[in-house]
Amino acid sequence: DQQVKQNSPSLSVQEGRISILNCDYTNSMFDYFLWYKKYPAEGPTFLISISSIKDKNEDGRFTVFLNKSAKHLSLHIVPSQPGDSAVYFCAASDYGGATNKLIFGTGTLLAVQP
Amino acid sequence: EAQVTQNPRYLITVTGKKLTVTCSQNMNHEYMSWYRQDPGLGLRQIYYSMNVEVTDKGDVPEGYKVSRKEKRNFPLILESPSPNQTSLYFCASSFGQGADYGYTFGSGTRLTVV
Repeated sequence: DQQVKQNSPSLSVQEGRISILNCDYTNSMFDYFLWYKKYPAEGPTFLISISSIKDKNEDGRFTVFLNKSAKHLSLHIVPSQPGDSAVYFCAASDYGGATNKLIFGTGTLLAVQP
Repeated sequence: EAQVTQNPRYLITVTGKKLTVTCSQNMNHEYMSWYRQDPGLGLRQIYYSMNVEVTDKGDVPEGYKVSRKEKRNFPLILESPSPNQTSLYFCASSFGQGADYGYTFGSGTRLTVV
């Protein structure tokens, strides 16, 4: 049972436009969410996170939005750059809870076209 | 440089031939974990370790063993590899299991079992 879902396996965006990557989760106990970015032949690297007490967190060009009632979060990249082309993983955790570990989604491959 | 080092990067082996994938971190992290990445399934946790001599199963532990005799090393052992263990493997470490600690990932080991 996939508790964290990224329904779009891939996304293509023009350079300079906004990229929106979506993630849905099923476990209402999740209270901490992260996005990781992965280039080919490299391990995932941490990008941005959000706690369930917030609904938005910004870091430069990257903003994560959390909608707890819909169990949905999204990552916005504005403006998109060719160097943003990578696989993006959404991850969730019930911090301090029974499992207290990261559960990852299936990933979305973002291609930013010059 | 703070890093997680996995070896080998690429490995092709035959069914039933025991192998070990090594993982070492130089950040004095207590928490270490192994993941496998498969198409359409994202990153799934195999085993994790909270500290020296403390290990536990993740979501997909069948066919794998681990040990944690020293803080810096967390090898993944496949006693009798099978083709369904063909995958991309990542080791990760962190100061703690909780999601607010950043996970640092290794560069990955691509294993093919024929």
